[in-house]
Amino acid sequence: EPEVTQTPSHQVTQMGQEVILRCVPISNHLYFYWYRQILGQKVEFLVSFYNNEISEKSEIFDDQFSVERPDGSNFTLKIRSTKLEDSAMYFCASRRSGGTGELFFGEGSRLTVL
Amino acid sequence: DQQVKQNSPSLSVQEGRISILNCDYTNSMFDYFLWYKKYPAEGPTFLISISSIKDKNEDGRFTVFLNKSAKHLSLHIVPSQPGDSAVYFCAASPNSGYALNFGKGTSLLVTP
Repeated sequence: EPEVTQTPSHQVTQMGQEVILRCVPISNHLYFYWYRQILGQKVEFLVSFYNNEISEKSEIFDDQFSVERPDGSNFTLKIRSTKLEDSAMYFCASRRSGGTGELFFGEGSRLTVL
Repeated sequence: DQQVKQNSPSLSVQEGRISILNCDYTNSMFDYFLWYKKYPAEGPTFLISISSIKDKNEDGRFTVFLNKSAKHLSLHIVPSQPGDSAVYFCAASPNSGYALNFGKGTSLLVTP
């Protein structure tokens, strides 16, 4: 069964460092998303991406964040200068066009900022 | 801004009995609702959805009920099995193409 894959599974970084989280969505999906979950809190929407551009973003997704689809398969989330409060589990998700709306999530990338 | 609320952080049910997980929402523009299940160290897995034109959707042991006037939905699991033990998230969006708003989740424990 096709699945969304994410790398790395866990990254530890120093505050102020740049981090890139990578995702390979399901191959015939056209809508891509990043969510995050801070420990003990709800899953929060960050950004959605369709047709090579951001279609929607939350207040969390400020200038420190960017997304890119550098080739036909990868979808990346970059945090330019990490802060302690960026420590969270980051989930990538994808959805096929014309689907009933359910998102398929990857297993997540845990980011720890020290 | 908590637009989707799951007021019970945890629920414990005996195997074979019914599990009822509740969810309330505040945004009247929401018309598409989903339930996701999450095991530790895994991403959320889609379980079942319902659009606002329906008040009930059933898939095997899982049934979702929607009460639009009360802005309330619930997930029923019958019969509950120990493998159902997980965190269940309610999610909603204005339509099926928009980003999902998640509740904080309810941790279900099904005991033998």
